[in-house]
Amino acid sequence: KQEVTQIPAALSVPEGENLVLNCSFTDSAIYNLQWFRQDPGKGLTSLLLIQSSQREQTSGRLNASLDKSSGRSTLYIAASQPGDSATYLCAVSRGDKIIFGKGTRLHILP
Amino acid sequence: DGGITQSPKYLFRKEGQNVTLSCEQNLNHDAMYWYRQDPGQGLRLIYYSQIVNDFQKGDIAEGYSVSREKKESFPLTVTSAQKNPTAFYLCASSMGGNTEAFFGQGTRLTVV
Repeated sequence: KQEVTQIPAALSVPEGENLVLNCSFTDSAIYNLQWFRQDPGKGLTSLLLIQSSQREQTSGRLNASLDKSSGRSTLYIAASQPGDSATYLCAVSRGDKIIFGKGTRLHILP
Repeated sequence: DGGITQSPKYLFRKEGQNVTLSCEQNLNHDAMYWYRQDPGQGLRLIYYSQIVNDFQKGDIAEGYSVSREKKESFPLTVTSAQKNPTAFYLCASSMGGNTEAFFGQGTRLTVV
């Protein structure tokens, strides 16, 4: 059974710092991995999608990497801003189900 | 504009009642999903559907039912058999396969 783990569960960093969020999964037979952002009481916003054949994807200050063989992904956020404060979730898909980690709650200190 | 619409945003249910949560998408997506989110537990899959008139149970289907009579609609019924229904419910859709998933804004259900 696929399990997705995100470490740390919560993180506070001063504004302007670069940071890395981690995601690991137990079954490497995935089609893709997706990173989402969730603001309190809201739905999920898709940030980046990495196909299983890809190593990384970039969007603005965000960069996500995927190492399928080791079951790991990282989300790198450059020059963090207070508006980046949110919960970040990773999810893996095998085409039918989408399985989520519990998320990392990020707080950027002004 | 295109997207996924969940309604209502807030829903209150009395003990013993069934309630239905609406999820509509105009993205022409084949696959649709229902998740439940509780504090500290992440998202758990309730039901999913890859095509019209077909759906499968997720990890926590007991006490829930769905239908997929139209491609754009995937309503979720929370029945009286669900013992702890108070939660935040999220609907998602995708083209299926290895494509990107998109989410609605959620429905917060409270049992009173």
